[in-house]
Amino acid sequence: EAEVAQSPRYKITEKSQAVAFWCDPISGHATLYWYRQILGQGPELLVQFQDESVVDDSQLPKDRFSAERLKGVDSTLKIQPAELGDSAMYLCASSLVGTGNTEAFFGQGTRLTVV
Amino acid sequence: AQKITQTQPGMFVQEKEAVTLDCTYDTSDPSYGLFWYKQPSSGEMIFLIYQGSYDQQNATEGRYSLNFQKARKSANLVISASQLGDSAMYFCAMREAASGSARQLTFGSGTQLTVLP
Repeated sequence: EAEVAQSPRYKITEKSQAVAFWCDPISGHATLYWYRQILGQGPELLVQFQDESVVDDSQLPKDRFSAERLKGVDSTLKIQPAELGDSAMYLCASSLVGTGNTEAFFGQGTRLTVV
Repeated sequence: AQKITQTQPGMFVQEKEAVTLDCTYDTSDPSYGLFWYKQPSSGEMIFLIYQGSYDQQNATEGRYSLNFQKARKSANLVISASQLGDSAMYFCAMREAASGSARQLTFGSGTQLTVLP
């Protein structure tokens, strides 16, 4: 069964270090989302791609976060430098485009701890 | 303003009983979709059920049904015959139509459901 792949599953990093997360969406899914989920809260959208283009990054802290999807397939989210407040679950999701009733499929997430 | 509101931080239900998880939403877009996801302690988000704004009937998927009241802007999830494995966090989400192909998916704060044996 097709699934969204994310790596790593867990990451511990020191404050001020750089960290990167990788996501491979379901084949054929043009839309890719990166969400941040703080423990006990709902996911918050960081960035949304349509193919290789960013369509929404209004909530992405651009001074330290960057995201790319160069060939419109897999994507990387980077944080540099990491701060203690960045500790959270980072979820990647993908969906088909064209109709509003297509659900987003999520990966298992990357749990980041900044120490 | 919150687009998705889930007012129940935690709910308890006895095994085999039914439970309703509340969700209200705010949008001025006539075309939108409502989703419910389950998130077990492992962290993965699992899609449960979908309701479109133009759907005439309430959505059902196995033991899950969605009580859609458009005028009240509510989309409550009903789980029938609760099982211990239903214990998880449940999120309501909405996708609004937008210009071009940008269809944002916005989540509520979630409800932690605990099924008691």
